[in-house]
Amino acid sequence: QVHLVESGGGSVKPGGSLRLSCAASGFTFGDYFMSWVRQAPGKGLEWVSYISYTSTYIDYADSVKGRFSISRDNAKDSLFLQMNSLRAEDTAVYYCARGTVTTAGLFDFWGRGTLVTVSS
Amino acid sequence: EIVLTQSPGTLSLSPGERATLSCRASQGVTNNYLAWYQQKPGQAPRLLISDASTRTTGIPDRFSGSGSGTDFTLTISRLEPEDFAVYFCQQYGSSPWAFGQGTKVEIK
Repeated sequence: QVHLVESGGGSVKPGGSLRLSCAASGFTFGDYFMSWVRQAPGKGLEWVSYISYTSTYIDYADSVKGRFSISRDNAKDSLFLQMNSLRAEDTAVYYCARGTVTTAGLFDFWGRGTLVTVSS
Repeated sequence: EIVLTQSPGTLSLSPGERATLSCRASQGVTNNYLAWYQQKPGQAPRLLISDASTRTTGIPDRFSGSGSGTDFTLTISRLEPEDFAVYFCQQYGSSPWAFGQGTKVEIK
């Protein structure tokens, strides 16, 4: 059974940093593209970043480019998101999501999310 | 960049009624790579439909997707109590992948 469990969220001041983690189980982690998707309170979903199987291909939404960095450790079945220069508008629940075998941007499993609050 | 606009924002219906949700893209969605997700309060989204009309394994057949190009529809033929939720469309045919703002299906 596929499980994705995010951690590392919390409260931080504007300009601060956080590192999110996602622990994966129940599937061969290294065989899948992975993404981070966020949802601001009461708002819709926003794709943040993706990373390919061996980290060869990485992309970011314009809203986080230059501030966030995605990475993965296939040996530890883990996905990460390093978030720097955080802004109030980065406040959201951050979900770890798995792309399907054939389509990186189609998300067939999601974690329950971790809340990031950026406030002074 | 493709922008997805969902309508209506809220749909108030009774159990047993038919729900029709719309998702319109600002430009054609490549290969009709359009998905629908269901989200309940405090839960992660669940994939219902991919490629505009392919139901995910385990999703009841009262859920159906249709459309192509720029206009897509999610239909729930007869609403069950567990179907009251927020529904998002998403295009994954071109970067950046984008979601609609959601349609809330609430009990009338």
